[in-house]
Amino acid sequence: QVQLVQSGAEVKKPGASVKVSCKASGYSFTNYDTNWVRQATGQGLEWMGWMNPNSGNTGYAQRFQGRLSFTRNTSISTAYMELSSLRSEDTAVYYCARGEFGSGSYSDYWGQGTLVTVSS
Amino acid sequence: DIQMTQSPSSLSASVGDRVTITCRASQSISTYLNWYQQKPGKVPKILIYAASSLHSGVPSRFTGSGSGTDFTLTITSLQPEDFATYYCQQSYNTRAFGQGTKVEIK
Repeated sequence: QVQLVQSGAEVKKPGASVKVSCKASGYSFTNYDTNWVRQATGQGLEWMGWMNPNSGNTGYAQRFQGRLSFTRNTSISTAYMELSSLRSEDTAVYYCARGEFGSGSYSDYWGQGTLVTVSS
Repeated sequence: DIQMTQSPSSLSASVGDRVTITCRASQSISTYLNWYQQKPGKVPKILIYAASSLHSGVPSRFTGSGSGTDFTLTITSLQPEDFATYYCQQSYNTRAFGQGTKVEIK
């Protein structure tokens, strides 16, 4: 069965960076986009960006440009999200989600979420 | 970036009610619009894609409509398990979400 398993909770200080992993199984990792979405406590879903694991191409939401990076290791079917220059407003649950390539896609499988807490 | 605006932000309804949630895009997105349901402590679940296509396993009481900039999610007869937060998402270029609509028990 399709599964996305994310790395564990993180506590970071303001100004630091965090790297979250998302390991895919049950499907061909390089045949689907990996999207990243975050959700602060009690708030809505915020789409951060996508990565095509086959090509390595990425797209980032404008507000994260410059401090967000997606990478992958296809040999272990794992995607990574790294967010730098962390501030308290970045405290949230971060999700990876699978999506088909191109316009019109939707996310049908999601990771369990990784809580990132930014606190001094 | 295309902005997605949902209304209302929350609503109270009773079991059996017909519920309508609207989503407006800041520019035309054709029918590149998805709807998700999220319950507290759970990951989002896809309900509708391409504005009106029901995802596999989703009850037929959920219907989606619209094109261009204006879209609607309708729950024809609200069930106890439908109390949740609903999000629209454009899939035209980015994957931006609306701010969500919380459906609460009246």
